[in-house]
Amino acid sequence: DAKTTQPNSMESNEEEPVHLPCNHSTISGTDYIHWYRQLPSQGPEYVIHGLTSNVNNRMASLAIAEDRKSSTLILHRATLRDAAVYYCILRDRAGANNLFFGTGTRLTVIP
Amino acid sequence: GAGVSQSPSNKVTEKGKDVELRCDPISGHTALYWYRQRLGQGLEFLIYFQGNSAPDKSGLPSDRFSAERTGESVSTLTIQRTQQEDSAVYLCAILRRGGFANTGELFFGEGSRLTVL
Repeated sequence: DAKTTQPNSMESNEEEPVHLPCNHSTISGTDYIHWYRQLPSQGPEYVIHGLTSNVNNRMASLAIAEDRKSSTLILHRATLRDAAVYYCILRDRAGANNLFFGTGTRLTVIP
Repeated sequence: GAGVSQSPSNKVTEKGKDVELRCDPISGHTALYWYRQRLGQGLEFLIYFQGNSAPDKSGLPSDRFSAERTGESVSTLTIQRTQQEDSAVYLCAILRRGGFANTGELFFGEGSRLTVL
């Protein structure tokens, strides 16, 4: 299964944009890129997903490299509530059961 | 959260005892997952149920772990003869009906925190 690589931690000042990177150099053509985040003491929650084109929703934007070997989750204005662990995962067209979450990136937002 | 209720929220047990963790999802989901999360670590896939297909048990760490699902409702994860290394948060997630396997959102419960003394 294709895996992802993320930095262990990042910091951001409140109300500034945050760019969270993810490398997935072994991504296959049928893999979708998903992002989840996990707030303290909660289960993960869905953030956004995409295949090839950049995506925007009310929570974030997803920028996907042209070769699809990397992607970036963009939080346009970080708030204290955005402090969480962010996971980048791949899901293939067959809907792989074993979704690999890894350890994610722990985002600290500084007031 | 979002239609997945897990119980107990916290469980403290002695080494060697059996424990049963429960996941109670809303109706209308197509798939159900169990994950384990040790302190400070990522999520480990344990088992996956979908419809009447045989469950994918490839993530279960040992034969002390088992899980069942009743129809499209409650699922229970059972750990027999618990060990200290079983201490973790056990998370249940569902894929709602209408969600595609490769694009649909997973909705997670808040987890059951197991501590084995």
